[in-house]
Order: sequence, then structure tokens, then C-alpha cells
Amino acid sequence: EPEVTQTPSHQVTQMGQEVILRCVPISNHLYFYWYRQILGQKVEFLVSFYNNEISEKSEIFDDQFSVERPDGSNFTLKIRSTKLEDSAMYFCASKERGGYEQFFGPGTRLTVL
Amino acid sequence: QKEVEQDPGPLSVPEGAIVSLNCTYSNSAFQYFMWYRQYSRKGPELLMYTYSSGNKEDGRFTAQVDKSSKYISLFIRDSQPSDSATYLCASSTSYGKLTFGQGTILTVHP
Repeated sequence: EPEVTQTPSHQVTQMGQEVILRCVPISNHLYFYWYRQILGQKVEFLVSFYNNEISEKSEIFDDQFSVERPDGSNFTLKIRSTKLEDSAMYFCASKERGGYEQFFGPGTRLTVL
Repeated sequence: QKEVEQDPGPLSVPEGAIVSLNCTYSNSAFQYFMWYRQYSRKGPELLMYTYSSGNKEDGRFTAQVDKSSKYISLFIRDSQPSDSATYLCASSTSYGKLTFGQGTILTVHP
């Protein structure tokens, strides 16, 4: 069964460093999302991406964040200068055209020291 | 006011019990309502999906939406230990951004 994959499963970084979280969505999906979940808190929407551009973003998704689909399979989230409060589980999700279900990946745990 | 509110529990029930999980929401524009299940250190997995008001049944699971009271419910009949997980309600105005509740931690003990 097709699934969304994410790498790495755990990323540890120093405050101020750049990180890139990678996702491989399900192959025929066209809509892509990033969410994050700080420990003990809600899953929060960050950004949605369709047709090679951002379709919606939250207040959390400021200038420190960017997304890219560098090729036909990967979808990345970059944080330019990480802060302690960026420590969270980051989930990628994808959805097919005309579908309602967003399929989530297993997440990347980001720890900022 | 938080857009989607959910009692985080935890909720502990014996095997075979009927479980009732509930959420309230404040955004009248929400049209799509989902229940996701999340196991420890895994991504959310869609369990039930409902459009607008009404009931939907799938095996032991029933989802209800009452738009007049802005109330979302999930019922689990004959609960099993394998149902132990965190259950997240989520709402959306379209097929895009999902707004999640806090999640309810459910434990079904044998």
C-alpha cells in the first residue's frame, strides 16, 4: 500500500542552524501539507502546497520557513535558523486530486538544543 | 476561542465498553469533519470522515456531527485493547487545511 515517507526520523540540531526535513508523498498525489505537533499539544497546520506554490500558510509559517518540491517526488520543509521553540514532531501529508483524505507520514522529530 | 476543542482525557475503559469521544468547534464555516487515530510516535491515520451534519457508521465506529450545536462525536462499540490510541478530531472548511483538537488518549484494558 502506498505511504508517505519522511526522513530523517529524528533530527538534532543546534539553535541557529538550518535544517531540511524531507518527505516523499504518495506518487499520484498533488496536494502537499506540513503540520507540526509540539509535545503535549495539538497538531498544527503550517502550510499547504499545490501546483508548485504555497496555497495557504499559518501564522507559524514565517520567513524562517520555506517549502520546496525540488523534483517529482520530494517535498521539503526548510527552517533557516532554528529556535528552541521549533522543537516538535513535523508531519508531512499528501492528498490526491478530488480526494478528501490527507495521508500522513510517520513524522520527523526535531530537537533544537 | 480555540477553533476545535477536545477533552484530552485520558480515558480508560474495560474491553467491550462503549466509548464516546467528543469535540466542539466554533468556526461555522467548517463543513468537513474527521476523526484521526494516532498511535505512539506515528502519524495520524484517518478513521472516519463526515461531510456536514449527520451520522456515519463503519463497523464498530460511528461518527456524528451536529452543526446546530457545533458538536462532533465518535462512538466505539465493543472496544478492544487494539483501539488504545490517541483520537484526534479535525475540521476543515474545504479539502485543505485541517484544524485539530487536542486529542483524547484512550486506553482499553483487557
